[in-house]
Amino acid sequence: DAGITQSPRYKITETGRQVTLMCHQTWSHSYMFWYRQDLGHGLRLIYYSAAADITDKGEVPDGYVVSRSKTENFPLTLESATRSQTSVYFCASSEGDRLNTEAFFGQGTRLTVV
Amino acid sequence: AQTVTQSQPEMSVQEAETVTLSCTYDTSESNYYLFWYKQPPSRQMILVIRQEAYKQQNATENRFSVNFQKAAKSFSLKISDSQLGDTAMYFCAFMRSSGTYKYIFGTGTRLKVLA
Repeated sequence: DAGITQSPRYKITETGRQVTLMCHQTWSHSYMFWYRQDLGHGLRLIYYSAAADITDKGEVPDGYVVSRSKTENFPLTLESATRSQTSVYFCASSEGDRLNTEAFFGQGTRLTVV
Repeated sequence: AQTVTQSQPEMSVQEAETVTLSCTYDTSESNYYLFWYKQPPSRQMILVIRQEAYKQQNATENRFSVNFQKAAKSFSLKISDSQLGDTAMYFCAFMRSSGTYKYIFGTGTRLKVLA
């Protein structure tokens, strides 16, 4: 299916465990993003990637790791989950040019750290 | 660094009425893009409307229009003839037009359309 998909949709994990959220897009978009959504904070950028093997920190990167070995995949890893990382996580992608400015979002992953 | 501020956490409007959501931003860039995204209860983020800063004409998309005031760094969204399906969280977003194309979002406004 064409589009951008996240997995899993829901995840419960324990404090201290490593967890990876997956993101896959079929458009070959250059840019990919990870945001977290929390009440009162809106969407905050965790990490983004301008192309394969190019990643950069966003506003709230601490405790997260990303990689982008292939253009279509952009996994987000919580190395040692904490309760403060309980959130809804969104992956997004875009063409990354001035003619195509729309960002397309996945359905989100609700992560609960207990 | 760019910032986006939405000062109205929640709003409500009667069906068929008009409502305006506010957004202000801060940037030193001369050209950039502004967006309004809608997030209904399904959680899916949907682009409502976009505006390029160098275009003076305000963008419109059917019942949705913006009031873009570049000097005031203001970008409000007007929804006319509100419908129950407009009930959602609305996010204002900023993107530079050069360099890295990352999106900076505001904290959102939760809009409820009342029957």
